Amino acid sequence: AQKITQTQPGMFVQEKEAVTLDCTYDTSDQSYGLFWYKQPSSGEMIFLIYQGSYDEQNATEGRYSLNFQKARKSANLVISASQLGDSAMYFCAMTYTMIYNQGGKLIFGQGTELSVKP
Amino acid sequence: IAGITQAPTSQILAAGRRMTLRCTQDMRHNAMYWYRQDLGLGLRLIHYSNTAGTTGKGEVPDGYSVSRANTDDFPLTLASAVPSQTSVYFCASSDGGDTGELFFGEGSRLTVL
Repeated sequence: AQKITQTQPGMFVQEKEAVTLDCTYDTSDQSYGLFWYKQPSSGEMIFLIYQGSYDEQNATEGRYSLNFQKARKSANLVISASQLGDSAMYFCAMTYTMIYNQGGKLIFGQGTELSVKP
Repeated sequence: IAGITQAPTSQILAAGRRMTLRCTQDMRHNAMYWYRQDLGLGLRLIHYSNTAGTTGKGEVPDGYSVSRANTDDFPLTLASAVPSQTSVYFCASSDGGDTGELFFGEGSRLTVL
């Protein structure tokens, strides 16, 4: 069975510093997708970044990068130059299947609450 | 503003009552999903629909039903609510593209007493 594990319930980071949020996954599938979503205190879910299992390069989106280590089954999120607005809950997620039009069936981790200090 | 609209935003419900959470999207996405969010458990998939007229069970489907009569609407029904269904419910849609990115509604907070 597939599983996502986020071992850091809470993290603190100083403004302007970089921070890494850990995510490990377990799957027997060869083809899968990995996601990170942000949930601010207002409650909405915001897509941040995606990594496909066959992508050879780590995904990047602005200040977000995904450190994908396939052999270790880890997909850590790196946020560079943290901002106060980055304070939020962050969820790592994995697709159940890569079948077209079913990619939205996700397994989520427990989440990591990030607090950025001024 | 295009996106997903959920209603109600918040509801308190007596156990045993029937409740329907509404979800409407205007992005013409084929796939739609219902997730519930509980503290310490992240989000868990309840039901999904790959396209209008089809539905499927997710990780935690018991006590819930869905229908998909058209592309835009995907209501979630609790036939007889129980306190363990107290949760925040998120509706989401996907355009089925390569990344499978989900577009979420703002959530419906349901409390069952």
